[in-house]
Amino acid sequence: NAGVTQTPKFQVLKTGQSMTLQCAQDMNHEYMSWYRQDPGMGLRLIHYSVGAGITDQGEVPNGYNVSRSTTEDFPLRLLSAAPSQTSVYFCASSYSSGGITDTQYFGPGTRLTVL
Amino acid sequence: KQEVTQIPAALSVPEGENLVLNCSFTDSAIYNLQWFRQDPGKGLTSLLLIQSSQREQTSGRLNASLDKSSGRSTLYIAASQPGDSATYLCAPSRGNNRLAFGKGNQVVVIP
Repeated sequence: NAGVTQTPKFQVLKTGQSMTLQCAQDMNHEYMSWYRQDPGMGLRLIHYSVGAGITDQGEVPNGYNVSRSTTEDFPLRLLSAAPSQTSVYFCASSYSSGGITDTQYFGPGTRLTVL
Repeated sequence: KQEVTQIPAALSVPEGENLVLNCSFTDSAIYNLQWFRQDPGKGLTSLLLIQSSQREQTSGRLNASLDKSSGRSTLYIAASQPGDSATYLCAPSRGNNRLAFGKGNQVVVIP
């Protein structure tokens, strides 16, 4: 198993540009989520999904869109990049059964700089 | 909103000493709690998961305890090694496996 994969590893954008951060998992996990990590702060939840076709907002959703058309993929879209979105983005996935959630597995991250 | 505090923020210990990392959280209505390790420039690696009904979990030299009612968890690392140098993150989970993170305990083990 490849686990959770993220592409690209690094990205530089100009203010106002759009882009999509890709996330895929091959563990058949229902739960997937996106976090951002900024210096001096803990990781913060952006959006999450409990299954294909179902998404919801996390703590810091503004400026980001998500969709979940398949179990495997959960892309994160930046509609109009701003310098405040400079961060490291992590995707995570986990298994859940009967309301009991299991270990979350994280991808290697995408380091995004917005100029 | 769940607030997570990790103390100490940073510590250095000589090789062989036991490590004690503390985590406190404000909302005790959690489903589980995970401890992660993060190396510089890398992603998060899960170390231990404690379900809300459990008091502790052990894996090798690692032991994590959970006192849900008082909002506390402690990670013990026995006989520390230089390879244990990393940042350790505590993350209690709300419904739908939404994790809240502390800022971490940055650990340096001196050979």
